Amino acid sequence: NAGVTQTPKFRVLKTGQSMTLLCAQDMNHEYMYWYRQDPGMGLRLIHYSVGEGTTAKGEVPDGYNVSRLKKQNFLLGLESAAPSQTSVYFCASSYALNQPQHFGDGTRLSIL
Amino acid sequence: AQSVAQPEDQVNVAEGNPLTVKCTYSVSGNPYLFWYVQYPNRGLQFLLKYITGDNLVKGSYGFEAEFNKSQTSFHLKKPSALVSDSALYFCAVRDDSSASKIIFGSGTRLSIRP
Repeated sequence: NAGVTQTPKFRVLKTGQSMTLLCAQDMNHEYMYWYRQDPGMGLRLIHYSVGEGTTAKGEVPDGYNVSRLKKQNFLLGLESAAPSQTSVYFCASSYALNQPQHFGDGTRLSIL
Repeated sequence: AQSVAQPEDQVNVAEGNPLTVKCTYSVSGNPYLFWYVQYPNRGLQFLLKYITGDNLVKGSYGFEAEFNKSQTSFHLKKPSALVSDSALYFCAVRDDSSASKIIFGSGTRLSIRP
């Protein structure tokens, strides 16, 4: 029972490089979310999706793009990485907006 | 606008003693409230939620939370702490008056000493 799986678990990038973080869920959830977690700031929502083919901006969307081409996958892209994007990124999914979210174990991203 | 506050960065409790982790919130409509726990190098795990009904909500691992509308609080409690309860705890809130997303607090680190 995998739940929410994030790939990769760790990554180091140089400033200006691009990369894509992959999130996959096997619970048939409609809602998916991308957060970043920084010390003392809790979780901040980057982008979210309410269903296949839809995406919306969260609290801190600048510098990120997302796509939800398949219901089970939610991709987070960094087009030109900046040191300020060094963080731990969490993906989550839920059946509905008022239902508990299920989280992956995170991607630790360092931008040098 | 909705907001959530966890006023304590860290809570220290002796094993066997009761514990409380505080959370206050602000919403325009009725609140949907959640508690999550995070262990090192892991994602958040759901503990319990309040949507409506009984003000005392029971959740996983013996935790419970009390919804207090007049004080706009949703404090997490456990009658007898275990060393294994040591973790980072997050309160989260959503306002039912809009299509708003869930907002997470900044987290409280709970440390249980043997």
